Amino acid sequence: QKEVEQNSGPLSVPEGAIASLNCTYSDRGSQSFFWYRQYSGKSPELIMSIYSNGDKEDGRFTAQLNKASQYVSLLIRDSQPSDSATYLCAVIDSSYKLIFGSGTRLLVRP
Amino acid sequence: KAGVTQTPRYLIKTRGQQVTLSCSPISGHRSVSWYQQTPGQGLQFLFEYFSETQRNKGNFPGRFSGRQFSNSRSEMNVSTLELGDSALYLCASSDGGLAGSTDTQYFGPGTRLTVL
Repeated sequence: QKEVEQNSGPLSVPEGAIASLNCTYSDRGSQSFFWYRQYSGKSPELIMSIYSNGDKEDGRFTAQLNKASQYVSLLIRDSQPSDSATYLCAVIDSSYKLIFGSGTRLLVRP
Repeated sequence: KAGVTQTPRYLIKTRGQQVTLSCSPISGHRSVSWYQQTPGQGLQFLFEYFSETQRNKGNFPGRFSGRQFSNSRSEMNVSTLELGDSALYLCASSDGGLAGSTDTQYFGPGTRLTVL
Protein backbone atom coordinates (compact mmCIF):
# COMPACT_ATOMS: atom_id res chain seq x y z
CA GLN A 1 0.00 0.00 0.00
CA LYS A 2 1.34 3.40 -0.98
CA GLU A 3 1.79 5.84 1.88
CA VAL A 4 -0.09 8.65 0.13
CA GLU A 5 -2.85 7.77 -2.31
CA GLN A 6 -4.49 9.98 -4.92
CA ASN A 7 -6.76 9.29 -7.85
CA SER A 8 -4.62 9.86 -10.95
CA GLY A 9 -7.52 11.35 -12.95
CA PRO A 10 -7.84 13.17 -15.16
CA LEU A 11 -10.51 15.10 -13.31
CA SER A 12 -12.31 17.20 -15.89
CA VAL A 13 -14.47 20.16 -14.78
CA PRO A 14 -16.00 23.07 -16.70
CA GLU A 15 -14.69 26.58 -16.18
CA GLY A 16 -16.28 28.19 -13.12
CA ALA A 17 -17.04 24.88 -11.40
CA ILE A 18 -15.64 23.55 -8.13
CA ALA A 19 -12.87 21.00 -8.47
CA SER A 20 -12.51 18.55 -5.59
CA LEU A 21 -9.24 16.69 -5.15
CA ASN A 22 -8.77 13.97 -2.55
CA CYS A 23 -5.89 12.25 -0.82
CA THR A 24 -5.53 9.58 1.84
CA TYR A 25 -2.44 8.72 3.84
CA SER A 26 -1.43 5.68 5.83
CA ASP A 27 0.92 6.99 8.56
CA ARG A 28 -1.19 8.08 11.55
CA GLY A 29 1.83 9.94 12.96
CA SER A 30 1.85 12.39 10.06
CA GLN A 31 1.56 15.99 11.20
CA SER A 32 2.02 18.26 8.20
CA PHE A 33 0.07 18.17 4.96
CA PHE A 34 0.58 20.04 1.72
CA TRP A 35 -0.91 20.52 -1.70
CA TYR A 36 1.45 21.31 -4.55
CA ARG A 37 0.61 22.22 -8.12
CA GLN A 38 2.87 21.09 -10.93
CA TYR A 39 2.56 22.26 -14.50
CA SER A 40 3.99 20.04 -17.20
CA GLY A 41 7.76 20.42 -17.37
CA LYS A 42 7.89 22.59 -14.25
CA SER A 43 8.73 21.99 -10.62
CA PRO A 44 6.07 21.76 -7.89
CA GLU A 45 4.83 24.95 -6.28
CA LEU A 46 3.09 25.07 -2.92
CA ILE A 47 -0.60 25.97 -2.94
CA MET A 48 -1.70 25.17 0.59
CA SER A 49 -0.39 23.75 3.82
CA ILE A 50 -2.58 22.47 6.65
CA TYR A 51 -1.61 21.13 10.04
CA SER A 52 -4.79 20.79 12.13
CA ASN A 53 -8.20 19.26 11.56
CA GLY A 54 -10.75 21.37 9.75
CA ASP A 55 -10.75 23.75 6.84
CA LYS A 56 -8.21 26.31 5.73
CA GLU A 57 -9.10 28.82 3.05
CA ASP A 58 -6.82 30.89 0.84
CA GLY A 59 -8.52 32.74 -1.98
CA ARG A 60 -10.17 30.22 -4.29
CA PHE A 61 -8.51 27.29 -2.52
CA THR A 62 -9.73 25.42 0.55
CA ALA A 63 -7.81 22.58 2.15
CA GLN A 64 -9.60 20.17 4.46
CA LEU A 65 -7.95 17.80 6.90
CA ASN A 66 -9.48 14.90 8.84
CA LYS A 67 -6.79 13.11 10.81
CA ALA A 68 -9.19 10.50 12.19
CA SER A 69 -10.06 9.43 8.65
CA GLN A 70 -6.51 10.10 7.40
CA TYR A 71 -7.94 12.21 4.65
CA VAL A 72 -6.91 15.48 3.03
CA SER A 73 -8.75 17.32 0.31
CA LEU A 74 -8.38 20.44 -1.80
CA LEU A 75 -11.30 22.38 -3.22
CA ILE A 76 -10.76 24.85 -6.04
CA ARG A 77 -13.66 27.25 -6.49
CA ASP A 78 -14.38 29.08 -9.75
CA SER A 79 -11.94 26.83 -11.61
CA GLN A 80 -10.03 28.48 -14.44
CA PRO A 81 -8.30 26.90 -17.45
CA SER A 82 -5.02 28.10 -15.91
CA ASP A 83 -5.70 25.74 -12.99
CA SER A 84 -5.18 22.80 -15.34
CA ALA A 85 -2.18 21.00 -13.88
CA THR A 86 -1.23 18.01 -11.76
CA TYR A 87 -2.00 18.44 -8.07
CA LEU A 88 0.28 16.63 -5.66
CA CYS A 89 -0.69 15.78 -2.12
CA ALA A 90 2.32 15.57 0.21
CA VAL A 91 2.70 14.53 3.83
CA ILE A 92 5.54 14.81 6.32
CA ASP A 93 5.34 11.39 7.91
CA SER A 94 6.33 10.29 11.41
CA SER A 95 9.92 9.75 10.27
CA TYR A 96 10.09 13.33 8.95
CA LYS A 97 10.17 12.43 5.29
CA LEU A 98 8.10 14.41 2.79
CA ILE A 99 6.08 11.77 0.96
CA PHE A 100 4.18 12.62 -2.21
CA GLY A 101 1.16 11.04 -3.78
CA SER A 102 1.28 10.24 -7.47
CA GLY A 103 -0.80 13.31 -8.30
CA THR A 104 -4.21 14.04 -9.78
CA ARG A 105 -4.35 15.62 -13.22
CA LEU A 106 -6.96 18.38 -13.37
CA LEU A 107 -8.38 19.62 -16.67
CA VAL A 108 -10.55 22.74 -16.65
CA ARG A 109 -12.58 22.99 -19.86
CA PRO A 110 -13.21 26.55 -21.17
CA LYS B 1 15.21 36.77 -2.54
CA ALA B 2 16.52 34.59 -5.33
CA GLY B 3 14.88 31.21 -5.56
CA VAL B 4 16.39 27.75 -5.41
CA THR B 5 18.80 27.17 -8.27
CA GLN B 6 19.97 23.86 -9.69
CA THR B 7 22.76 23.13 -12.11
CA PRO B 8 23.00 21.78 -14.66
CA ARG B 9 19.44 21.86 -15.95
CA TYR B 10 19.97 19.01 -18.40
CA LEU B 11 22.45 16.20 -18.44
CA ILE B 12 23.04 13.18 -20.66
CA LYS B 13 25.23 10.35 -19.39
CA THR B 14 25.86 6.73 -20.30
CA ARG B 15 25.43 3.66 -18.14
CA GLY B 16 28.23 3.14 -15.64
CA GLN B 17 29.21 6.79 -15.45
CA GLN B 18 28.76 8.95 -12.39
CA VAL B 19 27.12 12.34 -12.11
CA THR B 20 27.09 15.25 -9.66
CA LEU B 21 24.17 17.63 -9.40
CA SER B 22 24.25 20.93 -7.56
CA CYS B 23 21.63 22.86 -5.61
CA SER B 24 21.85 26.35 -4.14
CA PRO B 25 19.09 27.02 -1.60
CA ILE B 26 17.33 30.25 -0.91
CA SER B 27 19.57 32.57 1.07
CA GLY B 28 19.25 31.83 4.78
CA HIS B 29 17.75 28.38 4.34
CA ARG B 30 19.63 25.64 6.19
CA SER B 31 17.80 22.58 4.87
CA VAL B 32 18.09 21.04 1.44
CA SER B 33 16.09 17.98 0.40
CA TRP B 34 16.51 15.99 -2.78
CA TYR B 35 13.80 14.17 -4.72
CA GLN B 36 13.63 11.96 -7.78
CA GLN B 37 10.64 12.26 -10.10
CA THR B 38 9.84 9.62 -12.71
CA PRO B 39 6.60 8.92 -14.60
CA GLY B 40 6.33 5.48 -13.02
CA GLN B 41 7.24 6.18 -9.40
CA GLY B 42 6.30 9.83 -9.04
CA LEU B 43 8.16 12.10 -6.64
CA GLN B 44 10.32 10.15 -4.20
CA PHE B 45 12.32 11.46 -1.26
CA LEU B 46 16.07 10.85 -1.55
CA PHE B 47 17.57 12.60 1.47
CA GLU B 48 17.62 15.77 3.54
CA TYR B 49 20.62 17.75 4.67
CA PHE B 50 20.48 20.28 7.48
CA SER B 51 23.46 22.32 8.61
CA GLU B 52 25.89 20.04 6.73
CA THR B 53 24.49 16.82 8.24
CA GLN B 54 22.36 14.22 6.54
CA ARG B 55 19.28 14.23 8.71
CA ASN B 56 17.15 11.73 6.82
CA LYS B 57 17.34 9.28 3.96
CA GLY B 58 14.82 7.63 1.68
CA ASN B 59 14.86 4.11 0.27
CA PHE B 60 17.47 4.47 -2.44
CA PRO B 61 20.62 2.39 -2.96
CA GLY B 62 23.99 3.57 -1.75
CA ARG B 63 24.87 4.71 -5.27
CA PHE B 64 22.92 7.84 -4.39
CA SER B 65 24.80 10.11 -2.02
CA GLY B 66 24.93 13.74 -1.15
CA ARG B 67 26.60 16.37 0.92
CA GLN B 68 26.02 19.89 2.11
CA PHE B 69 28.57 22.65 2.44
CA SER B 70 28.90 25.33 5.10
CA ASN B 71 27.10 27.84 2.84
CA SER B 72 24.15 25.38 2.65
CA ARG B 73 24.76 24.56 -1.00
CA SER B 74 24.27 20.87 -1.64
CA GLU B 75 25.46 18.33 -4.14
CA MET B 76 24.01 14.99 -5.04
CA ASN B 77 26.09 12.24 -6.59
CA VAL B 78 24.94 9.13 -8.41
CA SER B 79 27.59 6.55 -9.18
CA THR B 80 27.47 3.67 -11.64
CA LEU B 81 24.48 5.09 -13.48
CA GLU B 82 21.69 2.76 -14.61
CA LEU B 83 19.05 3.34 -17.26
CA GLY B 84 16.45 3.54 -14.51
CA ASP B 85 18.18 6.57 -13.01
CA SER B 86 16.83 8.70 -15.84
CA ALA B 87 14.60 11.17 -14.05
CA LEU B 88 14.00 14.75 -13.01
CA TYR B 89 15.99 15.45 -9.87
CA LEU B 90 14.53 18.18 -7.73
CA CYS B 91 15.90 19.89 -4.70
CA ALA B 92 13.92 21.90 -2.22
CA SER B 93 15.04 24.24 0.53
CA SER B 94 13.52 25.47 3.74
CA ASP B 95 14.72 27.18 6.89
CA GLY B 96 13.84 24.58 9.51
CA GLY B 97 13.68 21.51 7.31
CA LEU B 98 11.33 18.57 7.61
CA ALA B 99 11.84 17.50 11.23
CA GLY B 100 8.73 18.60 13.05
CA SER B 101 8.63 21.79 11.03
CA THR B 102 5.84 23.64 9.33
CA ASP B 103 8.27 25.39 7.00
CA THR B 104 7.41 25.62 3.34
CA GLN B 105 9.58 23.58 1.00
CA TYR B 106 10.57 25.67 -2.03
CA PHE B 107 11.51 23.66 -5.08
CA GLY B 108 14.17 24.41 -7.65
CA PRO B 109 13.60 23.95 -11.40
CA GLY B 110 15.19 20.50 -11.40
CA THR B 111 17.93 18.73 -13.33
CA ARG B 112 16.74 16.44 -16.11
CA LEU B 113 19.11 13.45 -16.22
CA THR B 114 19.02 11.08 -19.17
CA VAL B 115 21.04 7.87 -18.98
CA LEU B 116 21.74 6.16 -22.30
